[in-house]
Amino acid sequence: GAVVSQHPSWVICKSGTSVKIECRSLDFQATTMFWYRQFPKQSLMLMATSNEGSKATYEQGVEKDKFLINHASLTLSTLTVTSAHPEDSSFYICSAPGRGQGDTQYFGPGTRLTVL
Amino acid sequence: ILNVEQSPQSLHVQEGDSTNFTCSFPSSNFYALHWYRWETAKSPEALFVMTLNGDEKKKGRISATLNTKEGYSYLYIKGSQPEDSATYLCAFLSGSARQLTFGSGTQLTVLP
Repeated sequence: GAVVSQHPSWVICKSGTSVKIECRSLDFQATTMFWYRQFPKQSLMLMATSNEGSKATYEQGVEKDKFLINHASLTLSTLTVTSAHPEDSSFYICSAPGRGQGDTQYFGPGTRLTVL
Repeated sequence: ILNVEQSPQSLHVQEGDSTNFTCSFPSSNFYALHWYRWETAKSPEALFVMTLNGDEKKKGRISATLNTKEGYSYLYIKGSQPEDSATYLCAFLSGSARQLTFGSGTQLTVLP
């Protein structure tokens, strides 16, 4: 149980285009999902917290107009990177909290974004 | 900004060797410490969630200890196998933020 899928697993796009990444909880409902970004050799950094039916909460330094988050249902959150630039190239990964002790997170497999 | 550090950054061991690595985290406002195992091209998978000072948890050949007063946790792997090759992440959950702060991971390679 507690499986999270993420799509696509990798994407290459041209500078200036927008890219949508989907995160789904397959066998449980998630009112909250987390979006992380990881640059090479660095930690997973929390970008934003996605809240079902309300606005996302963004971490300091993350542009909310550039990284649009929509959490329209209890099983789906989307992250749209708008007008992507090469510096947005990174690994994006989502997670959803389970019911376990200490807020265990269930992660998707991540999306590798390359902006040319 | 919370500081969570893991060492070593990478580690190569021979099959059958036992190994351990460290996660250090803030010693104040502690709520939980998570360990995840992350194989290439797969999702990070929760290994342990530790909440009490002095906790020791075990899953097969993998175990972990927790010292919240001094702010560190050790992960031990006994008799490493090639399938243990992965990146091991720790993450700190503070009582106030309730959001995970991750270390940069220890990449373990077990050579057959």
